[in-house]
Amino acid sequence: NAGVTQTPKFRVLKTGQSMTLLCAQDMNHEYMYWYRQDPGMGLRLIHYSVGEGTTAKGEVPDGYNVSRLKKQNFLLGLESAAPSQTSVYFCASSFLSWSAGGRDKRQSEQFFGPGTRLTVL
Amino acid sequence: KQEVTQIPAALSVPEGENLVLNCSFTDSAIYNLQWFRQDPGKGLTSLLLIQSSQREQTSGRLNASLDKSSGRSTLYIAASQPGDSATYLCATSPGAGSYQLTFGKGTKLSVIP
Repeated sequence: NAGVTQTPKFRVLKTGQSMTLLCAQDMNHEYMYWYRQDPGMGLRLIHYSVGEGTTAKGEVPDGYNVSRLKKQNFLLGLESAAPSQTSVYFCASSFLSWSAGGRDKRQSEQFFGPGTRLTVL
Repeated sequence: KQEVTQIPAALSVPEGENLVLNCSFTDSAIYNLQWFRQDPGKGLTSLLLIQSSQREQTSGRLNASLDKSSGRSTLYIAASQPGDSATYLCATSPGAGSYQLTFGKGTKLSVIP
C-alpha cells in the first residue's frame, strides 16, 4: 500500500493563478482532510470529507475549494492564489472501526501524506 | 474554543536519557488525543492514540498518558536515541461526530549522541 500520496510535492505560483492539489489514498478510508501548516500557527484544518460526494468546511476554508468525486481522491483547489496561501499543505485520511466491545464505532488515527510545499509570489 | 499547548517548544537531551513531553488542553471534553511525530520536511506519523476512556497507551519505548480532568497528556520516551530526534505534536478531537483535530505547535526534540 502506498498509503496517502500527494501531488505535486512542490509548486510556485504567481498571485492570481489557480491550481489543484491532489490527494490519493489506497486504504479505503471514508474520511479525508486537508490541512495547512504555517510557522508559529501549527496545523489548521481547511476542509474535510466524510465520504464520497461530501465536503465540509474546517477552521480556515476561505480561498479554497474541494471535491471528493471518488472515495480515494480528495482535491484541493485554489482559484486565485494569494501570498497568504504560501504554506505546506497536508492531506490525511481516517476510518471508523468498532470498539473492542462492539458497542460503538471509534475514529481511527489520522494518516498523513508527505505534504505539498506551495509558494505564492 | 479548544487550545492545545506544548511546553517546551524545544528540548535537547543526551542519548539514553528518559524524557517526558507535555501537552495541555483547555477543554476536557475530548473524544481522543493523538501524538504524532514529524521529521523535517516530512508528513506526520501517528505514534499513539488515546481514547477519552483510556488512561494510557504504550508502543515500544513510548508511553502516552491522559488525564482529562486536569487537561493534560504526557508522552514518555524511554532510553532516547538520536533517531528519536523530531518534532512531536499532540492533537485533540472534540467528539465522535467532529473531525476537526486541534493541534499543539509541537516540541522539537534533539537527542545528542
